[in-house]
Amino acid sequence: EVQLLESGGGLVQPGGSLRLSCAASGFNFRDYAMSWVRQAPGKGLEWVSSISGSDEVTYYADSVKGRFTISRDNSKNTLSLQMNSLRVEDTAEYYCVKEFEYLDTLDYWGQGTLVTVSS
Amino acid sequence: SSELTQDPAVSVALGQTVRITCQGDSLRSYYASWYQKKPGQAPVLVISDRNNRPSGIPYRISGSSSRNTASLTISGAQAEDEADYYCSSRDSSGYQWVFGGGTKVTVL
Repeated sequence: EVQLLESGGGLVQPGGSLRLSCAASGFNFRDYAMSWVRQAPGKGLEWVSSISGSDEVTYYADSVKGRFTISRDNSKNTLSLQMNSLRVEDTAEYYCVKEFEYLDTLDYWGQGTLVTVSS
Repeated sequence: SSELTQDPAVSVALGQTVRITCQGDSLRSYYASWYQKKPGQAPVLVISDRNNRPSGIPYRISGSSSRNTASLTISGAQAEDEADYYCSSRDSSGYQWVFGGGTKVTVL
C-alpha cells in the first residue's frame, strides 16, 4: 500500500524558513518522480515543484522559484521541500504527491501538512 | 505555463447525471486527470488518461476528452459524490503541472 506522510508544517513569520519532509513507502521510491502541491485556505490546488526519480531534475512554479528547493533522498525514501523567504501568500496545506508518468497523472497524495505564514 | 478553466459550481439531484468540463490548450497535447477533494481530506485521483479509473473508484464516475476539453461525468450521483473536483494536466512545457480552478458539485 502506497503511503506518503508529510511533516514539518507550522507557524512561521514572513521572511522565515521551514523545511517539509515526506516519508514514502509501499513503492519503489527511486523509480518515480515526486511533486509538492498546495492549497491555500478557500482556494484551489496549485502545483509547487517536482523532482524526477533517479537523475533528480527539478522544476518549480514561478511563484516559488528562487525561494523553495525540492530534494529527495532515495536511500531513505524521503522527499523534502526547503522553503525560504516565506510570504503570507505561501500559507497553505502542502501535499506530497507521487507521479505516475506512464499515465501522466498524480496518483497518490499524502494527507498534507499545514504551513501558516503570519506575524 | 497554461491554464485550465472549470465552472465554479454545479448541482445535481440525487440519482441524476452531472457532467463537469475542463478547457485548456494543454489538453490538445495531454490527457486530463480528475481529482476529488473533500473538506479535511487529501485529493483522490478518480480519472486519468482520459477514462482510466483507479481501483476503488465507482463505475458511475467516467471521463472523456475532445480537442481542448475534458469532461467528468457522474451517472446516478450519490450523496458521497458531493465534493470539489479538479482537473489537471501537464502544461505546454511537458514538465510542470497545471490545475483547473475546481468545480464544487452539490448533490441535492
